[in-house]
Amino acid sequence: EDQVTQSPEALRLQEGESSSLNCSYTVSGLRGLFWYRQDPGKGPEFLFTLYSAGEEKEKERLKATLTKKESFLHITAPKPEDSATYLCAVQAQPFSGGYNKLIFGAGTRLAVHP
Amino acid sequence: EPEVTQTPSHQVTQMGQEVILRCVPISNHLYFYWYRQILGQKVEFLVSFYNNEISEKSEIFDDQFSVERPDGSNFTLKIRSTKLEDSAMYFCASSLGRRYEKLFFGSGTQLSVL
Repeated sequence: EDQVTQSPEALRLQEGESSSLNCSYTVSGLRGLFWYRQDPGKGPEFLFTLYSAGEEKEKERLKATLTKKESFLHITAPKPEDSATYLCAVQAQPFSGGYNKLIFGAGTRLAVHP
Repeated sequence: EPEVTQTPSHQVTQMGQEVILRCVPISNHLYFYWYRQILGQKVEFLVSFYNNEISEKSEIFDDQFSVERPDGSNFTLKIRSTKLEDSAMYFCASSLGRRYEKLFFGSGTQLSVL
């Protein structure tokens, strides 16, 4: 069964203290791995898509990387406004002709304190 | 930036009643989805919709659920006879193309079944 596991469940950082969030996945065939940010009471907001091992993408203080078994979201010098839940999701093969569902992890709740 | 709009933001209903959740996807998008998130749990796929028909649905999406695109702009989720376990945040999403380059989510409808 396709599965996505995120760790840690919660992370508390001081402003400026860099860290990484982990997403490990078990899927029958990865079509894409997605990172989303979710603020309380809001829908997920797209951050990155990664398609193949070795791929990296960056946006401001965030950098996402992908291996064959996991992805990392690196947060460099975070600010309080980076506080949110970060969700990882995978889209798995086979691509049957339908439009495959995203399988989400439970998320990492990040709190950045001044 | 264009947005997916969902109404209402909160819906309270009695068990056994029918509810319709409404969404206006981004105007040039072709693929539409419903996801839900029970409090404290993962975001779960319900259904995808393309070219006026369901492309894929999850085990959750049983005969009590239906989707419709009644006109060129709205996308609805109907639950015929609500159960207590249907209480959740329901997210509508849309995407432009077949690949999940960017799935835009709405802010959700919080459904409470009493």
